[in-house]
Amino acid sequence: DTGVSQNPRHKITKRGQNVTFRCDPISEHNRLYWYRQTLGQGPEFLTYFQNEAQLEKSRLLSDRFSAERPKGSFSTLEIQRTEQGDSAMYLCATRDTGELFFGEGSRLTVL
Amino acid sequence: AQSVTQPDIHITVSEGASLELRCNYSYGATPYLFWYVQSPGQGLQLLLKYFSGDTLVQGIKGFEAEFKRSQSSFNLRKPSVHWSDAAEYFCAVGARDSSYKLIFGSGTRLLVRP
Repeated sequence: DTGVSQNPRHKITKRGQNVTFRCDPISEHNRLYWYRQTLGQGPEFLTYFQNEAQLEKSRLLSDRFSAERPKGSFSTLEIQRTEQGDSAMYLCATRDTGELFFGEGSRLTVL
Repeated sequence: AQSVTQPDIHITVSEGASLELRCNYSYGATPYLFWYVQSPGQGLQLLLKYFSGDTLVQGIKGFEAEFKRSQSSFNLRKPSVHWSDAAEYFCAVGARDSSYKLIFGSGTRLLVRP
């Protein structure tokens, strides 16, 4: 257990529905990252925050995706109008000055 | 383009045998280098990292890796594999800036024969 908590761990939804994932970081870590991992691939960077500011977004993050980190604490990743191609593991990681600590991920299955 | 290549999708070794997992990267400058391990249903755990200095780095669980600048490689090694080492291993590179954004390879799945 790295101390990074993600919920829900699994989500099954129908195409077109909206889903939201939550990440609770290690409390003193000011940087928070979202990655997406599809089957058989390594994680791909989506976005990251320093405190409440979203500093960078990947081209993978289409306009159906939105991430927030109010008050620089927990973060949410929302996917609107889900598509089957969104099926993946969504990983959250946090960092202070050293290494990244990853949560166990939220697995999304879009039917 | 920045990329990480792990040429072996699967590797099978016998318990007690030595292990080497290959990693090559393409990057504009020398990046930070990492190896992570992921067990089924689990998040990623950092095995070791290279930032600077000695090119042979030691990590947890008896793993080590060697950075070779001339070959743009960062191969992971272990002298004697244990059955509990069966997992997926990811090599990653990170920008030497404040973002610490990582680019991962596609992973190598390690199977351990009893």
